[in-house]
Amino acid sequence: DIQMTQSPSSLSASVGDRVTITCRASQNIDISLAWFQQKPGTAPRSLIFGASGLQNGVPSRFSGGGSGTDFTLTINSLQPEDFATYYCQQHYAYPLTFGGGTKVEIE
Amino acid sequence: QITLKESGPTLVKPTQTLTLTCTFSGFSLDTSGVAVGWIRQPPGKALEWLVLIYWNDDKNYSPSLMSRVTVTKDTSKNQVVLTMTDMDPVDTATYYCARRLLMAGHWHFDLWGRGTQVTVSS
Repeated sequence: DIQMTQSPSSLSASVGDRVTITCRASQNIDISLAWFQQKPGTAPRSLIFGASGLQNGVPSRFSGGGSGTDFTLTINSLQPEDFATYYCQQHYAYPLTFGGGTKVEIE
Repeated sequence: QITLKESGPTLVKPTQTLTLTCTFSGFSLDTSGVAVGWIRQPPGKALEWLVLIYWNDDKNYSPSLMSRVTVTKDTSKNQVVLTMTDMDPVDTATYYCARRLLMAGHWHFDLWGRGTQVTVSS
């Protein structure tokens, strides 16, 4: 199985900050990576597919990058509604696997 | 509008079989390039993928659960049914169904249901 490791597991930030979350795959996954946002008690929301493709309706302050084993999700100018947990997920090979999540909290 | 909704029991006893239904609208599982998957999330933990079923009835199972999980589709009812045998308290989780689409060459879970909480307890 491909292991997905996110860092940090949590971070504190303020509205307006630029935040970067990292996801590392245990082997090469090309650009087969997605990012999801989840708020407490709600379903995950798709943000990014194919490492950098922005899902329809997602604000442009969200961006994804990387290839191979190292990926990033960047949120420019953090907004109050962005405080949530973020998950990466590889779709390069079965079984599909998710990272452990990064919780973005208000500083 | 595209929606997915999970339904089923909220409480099952250990060793029992769980059956969950994903009822969707706004798309068809008869269309090429469409799949529906099940993903679960134990309380306070990360997401875990379980199974996928494609428009052509191909299926992919998580190896760790393959012996216990079955997935079927009923395109006339716009439903996908997950069956998981021999339930254990460690299977306590919120179970989500999600649409998977082929988007710019990438299969992707673009829309999720709200999830259904399942507790395994005697």
